[in-house]
Amino acid sequence: GAGVSQTPSNKVTEKGKYVELRCDPISGHTALYWYRQSLGQGPEFLIYFQGTGAADDSGLPNDRFFAVRPEGSVSTLKIQRTERGDSAVYLCASSLGGIARGDTQYFGPGTRLTVL
Amino acid sequence: GNSVTQMEGPVTLSEEAFLTINCTYTATGYPSLFWYVQYPGEGLQLLLKATKADDKGSNKGFEATYRKETTSFHLEKGSVQVSDSAVYFCALSSDPLNSGYSTLTFGKGTMLLVSP
Repeated sequence: GAGVSQTPSNKVTEKGKYVELRCDPISGHTALYWYRQSLGQGPEFLIYFQGTGAADDSGLPNDRFFAVRPEGSVSTLKIQRTERGDSAVYLCASSLGGIARGDTQYFGPGTRLTVL
Repeated sequence: GNSVTQMEGPVTLSEEAFLTINCTYTATGYPSLFWYVQYPGEGLQLLLKATKADDKGSNKGFEATYRKETTSFHLEKGSVQVSDSAVYFCALSSDPLNSGYSTLTFGKGTMLLVSP
């Protein structure tokens, strides 16, 4: 079956602009996660959705970052007033339930964001 | 808080050599442990996992044993191939507050380069 998909695969923007990154999880997966991976680092947690609600947004770095999942499937990560430090690969993952600590998260290919 | 420490790379080996990539962790509660792999140009893929102490995860000739006494989850393979060249990430998930969900904490990744 189809895996997690993310669009666009690459996004180049200018400092101060607004961007939206989209994630399509695996069908039937209720849990959805966003991570950010900077060069040479492991992914860092940003936000977790269970269904339509954000169960944990403690990883969002500041209020310029926001994410939604209005129908419990597709999610959009929104970044306002982008800064050069926001440049990274943004990863989306989904899992079947998200309620078991051994639940496997399946990752998308990521969106590489470059802020000039 | 939770943290994962991996040996720094790159690890450079000849084909058929023995591989060990060290991983240690700090966590509250009883984490599950994972190894993810990222092949060049591809997304993160789950390689193997272990959900409780003394469990051994294995896949594609790789294995790792969950050692609670040493808080370690070292990745091993008896005979590496050129196709194993990739970045390997150790990760943990935990739910210390029994909140009903968990997120992944990753190490920085270890690049493995295997030459013919």
